[in-house]
Amino acid sequence: SYELTQPLAVSVSPGQTARITCSGDALTKKSVYWYQQKSGQAPVVLIFDDSKRPSGIPERFSGSNSGTMATLTISGAQVEDGGDYYCFSSNSSGNHVLFGGGTKLTVL
Amino acid sequence: QVQLVESGGGVVQPGRSLRLSCAASGFTFSNFAIHWVRQAPGKGLEWVASVCLDGTKKHYGDSLKGRVTISRDNSKNTVYLQINSLRAEDTAIYYCARQFNNNSSRSPGIDYWGQGTLVTVSS
Repeated sequence: SYELTQPLAVSVSPGQTARITCSGDALTKKSVYWYQQKSGQAPVVLIFDDSKRPSGIPERFSGSNSGTMATLTISGAQVEDGGDYYCFSSNSSGNHVLFGGGTKLTVL
Repeated sequence: QVQLVESGGGVVQPGRSLRLSCAASGFTFSNFAIHWVRQAPGKGLEWVASVCLDGTKKHYGDSLKGRVTISRDNSKNTVYLQINSLRAEDTAIYYCARQFNNNSSRSPGIDYWGQGTLVTVSS
């Protein structure tokens, strides 16, 4: 079955750039969404349609999708950006949507 | 503002059934597809099911397929998730979530989430 693959963990120092990847064969044809989840809270959408940022999301969050890999970039990561990040997309036929396994970001 | 409020969770014995509800407010409910997503303790997000605007098209994830039914009542602004033959591995927070209303996108996504309802399957 189709999978979206993310690294288990990413660690950066405050002010550095954090990059979280999401790979899947159907990403050449499908959009990617990115969600941030902090402990005990519901997820929040950071990026939709590969690279669009909802109102209220800081400009340091950006997204890209090229080939079979999508990337969430956090420029100048802050300590409060620590948490779990998930990508979300669909399979090539569009009848199934799924999350990546999630990436734990540590900013310390 | 957009609100999604889940209810119906609790402690359930293995093999029993449960119906979760999601009450929506703050938007025109019948204009949006709705999803259920679950998260087992300490685990990642898992997509469970989705229902289209008028309830005629439904999609299910592989893990619960055959044991779950999603439905909606647009007159009540409510979505339901019926889960049968519950197993210990169904223990999770179940989130109701609204789909982005962007037909130009190459695939659907979620914009708003409820706070979730905890289902614990235990004898």
